[in-house]
Formats: sequence, structure tokens, C-alpha cells
Amino acid sequence: GAGVSQSPSNKVTEKGKDVELRCDPISGHTALYWYRQSLGQGLEFLIYFQGNSAPDKSGLPSDRFSAERTGGSVSTLTIQRTQQEDSAVYLCASSLVVGSNEKLFFGSGTQLSVL
Amino acid sequence: DQQVKQNSPSLSVQEGRISILNCDYTNSMFDYFLWYKKYPAEGPTFLISISSIKDKNEDGRFTVFLNKSAKHLSLHIVPSQPGDSAVYFCAASFFNAGNMLTFGGGTRLMVKP
Repeated sequence: GAGVSQSPSNKVTEKGKDVELRCDPISGHTALYWYRQSLGQGLEFLIYFQGNSAPDKSGLPSDRFSAERTGGSVSTLTIQRTQQEDSAVYLCASSLVVGSNEKLFFGSGTQLSVL
Repeated sequence: DQQVKQNSPSLSVQEGRISILNCDYTNSMFDYFLWYKKYPAEGPTFLISISSIKDKNEDGRFTVFLNKSAKHLSLHIVPSQPGDSAVYFCAASFFNAGNMLTFGGGTRLMVKP
């Protein structure tokens, strides 16, 4: 596809369950980012991947959060034992080149609701 | 500690008038600044950017001003149109951070017809 694709668009889960969120970046983009936006808040950086380098996990809020990027393309963000405070819109973005001020292209996000 | 702040959560402007959205930052290492626009249920889309070597960048109705000494930037939209109604995020990055953007909390702009 032409843009960043995220699935599912909406996810409702019960507290304590695990969830997986998927991101398909723009073809050829080497960098992939996960952000989240809690209600009424700005975008909070979670993790980013660049090529085959070790990901920058500095934004992950707890060890319940993890992400992987397979084959340098698709990424999955996993949240284990979900809590109500995990409810947010999870946004994925990709960019062509890191370090050259290339702009990020965002997907439409996954709205996660933890009941 | 918020490194990028947008102190106005919302702004209402009449169609045809100027909209001014403000953003302040604290990290003097930031050298690249961007504005993103977000409609409901959509991801943010890039609007305009400015490098720290400039103090102004213009693109059609949109102009971004950068005041490095004050660590302040602003987005001017003139004339404002109802379709500009959206949430606007200011973001900043610096070279060694790659493209990792630090975002402000956003300002909801409402342009009234």
C-alpha cells in the first residue's frame, strides 16, 4: 500500500490480557517508530527501529511492553497483562532515512481500550 | 519533564483571520522543528518544518517562525479556513536522535465559518 497500515484499528480487551498491535510501514522505509497518544495528551515516543541496528527502547513505559520488527518491515507491538492506563491510541510511523530530518509518515493508529 | 510544550490546548479563530499556534522547547540541542496536523481518527500528517539555521519558513498559507534565543516557535495560518480545524502538534528533533521526534501536547484549532 501507499501509506503506513496499522491493524486492528480498534481493540477492546480486558485488564490482564495480552494484546498485539501490527504495523506495516511504507515499502522501503528503513526506520519505524511507535508512539502512543493517551486521552488529552501529546504523542509519547515508545520505541524505534532502524535497519538491523538494535532498537531504541528508551520510551517503553514498562517491561510489559515489547516490540519486534521482522525482516526489516512489519512490526508488532505487544502489551502483556494490559492495565487500564494502557488505554490510548497507538501510532506507528516510518521514514526513509534516519538522521537527515526526513519527515515521519504516520498510520491511522490502533485505539486500544482496556476495560 | 516536557521538553516541548504547547501551552494553549485550544484556539478558536474566525474564518479568514490569522491563526497563531505557539510552541516552546527547553532542549537547546534541538535543531529541527516540525508541525503536524491531526484530524480525528487519522494519523498526524506533516505540515511544515524549519531548520535551526533559519528563522522563517513559508509554504502557502502556512509560515513557521523560529526564535532560538527564546526557544520558541510559532505557526501562522493566514487566512484560516474551516478545513484547517484540527489538532496541531509541534515536534522537535536533533541530529544525533535520528528522526526521533519529541512532540508537544497539541493545540486544537477551531476555525469558525
